[in-house]
Amino acid sequence: EAQVTQNPRYLITVTGKKLTVTCSQNMNHEYMSWYRQDPGLGLRQIYYSMNVEVTDKGDVPEGYKVSRKEKRNFPLILESPSPNQTSLYFCASTSRIQANYGYTFGSGTRLTVV
Amino acid sequence: DAKTTQPTSMDCAEGRAANLPCNHSTISGNEYVYWYRQIHSQGPQYIIHGLKNNETNEMASLIITEDRKSSTLILPHATLRDTAVYYCIGDNAGGTSYGKLTFGQGTILTVHP
Repeated sequence: EAQVTQNPRYLITVTGKKLTVTCSQNMNHEYMSWYRQDPGLGLRQIYYSMNVEVTDKGDVPEGYKVSRKEKRNFPLILESPSPNQTSLYFCASTSRIQANYGYTFGSGTRLTVV
Repeated sequence: DAKTTQPTSMDCAEGRAANLPCNHSTISGNEYVYWYRQIHSQGPQYIIHGLKNNETNEMASLIITEDRKSSTLILPHATLRDTAVYYCIGDNAGGTSYGKLTFGQGTILTVHP
């Protein structure tokens, strides 16, 4: 089944403890992106990647890092999480080469930083 | 990307057609109209997209006005499982470029028995 898989689904952590949220897609999509969703603010893009080893900042990149060493994986790294990073996170992918115009989203990761 | 305006909420009876409007008067010539929905806190789900012609797929139909300033998403036979937040988005990623999806507040559609 074509899908974007995020792990973990739920995570509670403490301020300053480094964490990684993984994202993997099995559709050979070249484009991947991370979003966060907060009440009243909608979905905001954190980082995106046009292809392997090509990443760029979205609207709210502060406090986050990403890497794209392989086409299928696009992990989101929080080096020193803070409470204002408590949010619902989504990974998404798509492919213009495959004329797949719709974005496929993962099921989400609900992160709580205390 | 175009700014879109949608009603905050709508109701629909199960089995009836749900017609969700969207205004996008500032849409540019190369921007597609995309519709997504989000059920509870799940990941958004792509529904349909179009440029200027009406489109239909297994999930829904999309009617775009001739001036492209507005569109309507039609769910022909709404079910309880169609209760969700529906987002209308302008995205210029119709060719080989990638648009940044900017989700507004969307329309909360409630389908009732």
